[in-house]
Amino acid sequence: EPEVTQTPSHQVTQMGQEVILRCVPISNHLYFYWYRQILGQKVEFLVSFYNNEISEKSEIFDDQFSVERPDGSNFTLKIRSTKLEDSAMYFCASSEEGRTEAFFGQGTRLTVV
Amino acid sequence: AQSVTQLGSHVSVSEGALVLLRCNYSSSVPPYLFWYVQYPNQGLQLLLKYTSAATLVKGINGFEAEFKKSETSFHLTKPSAHMSDAAEYFCAVSPPQGAQKLVFGQGTRLTINP
Repeated sequence: EPEVTQTPSHQVTQMGQEVILRCVPISNHLYFYWYRQILGQKVEFLVSFYNNEISEKSEIFDDQFSVERPDGSNFTLKIRSTKLEDSAMYFCASSEEGRTEAFFGQGTRLTVV
Repeated sequence: AQSVTQLGSHVSVSEGALVLLRCNYSSSVPPYLFWYVQYPNQGLQLLLKYTSAATLVKGINGFEAEFKKSETSFHLTKPSAHMSDAAEYFCAVSPPQGAQKLVFGQGTRLTINP
């Protein structure tokens, strides 16, 4: 069964460093998303991406965040200068054209020290 | 703005007992509703969805949920709990169109007692 794949599963980085979280969405999906879950809190929407551009972003998704689809398969989330409060589980998801449900990856746990 | 409230951050039931996980939503338009499950060290897996067709929705692993507009609820049930049902369950809402962002509840951790 097709699935969304995220790498790495766990990343530790020093405060102020840049990190790139990688995702391979399901191959025929056209809508891509990033969500995050800070420990003990809700899963929160960060950004959606369609047709090579951001379609919607939340207040959390400020200038330190960016997304990119560098090739036909990868979808990345870059955090330019990490802060302690960026420590969270980051989930990538994708949806098929005309479908309502999103399929999620297993997540990348980011720890900023 | 849409929101979701899950009553009970932890629910514990005995194996074979009824599972009831509560979800209430707030939305200015009739929404789409979803239940996702997260097993330990895994991602979010779709259990079931409501998209304005039948109000009683059946999902995977014997779970079902009923959309009640008058109560703004979408509670998740399973007649008989199994040990393998132990997981975190998330209710989510989206606008009534395809491929929209999800707004999640805070999650309910389900524990099954032998």
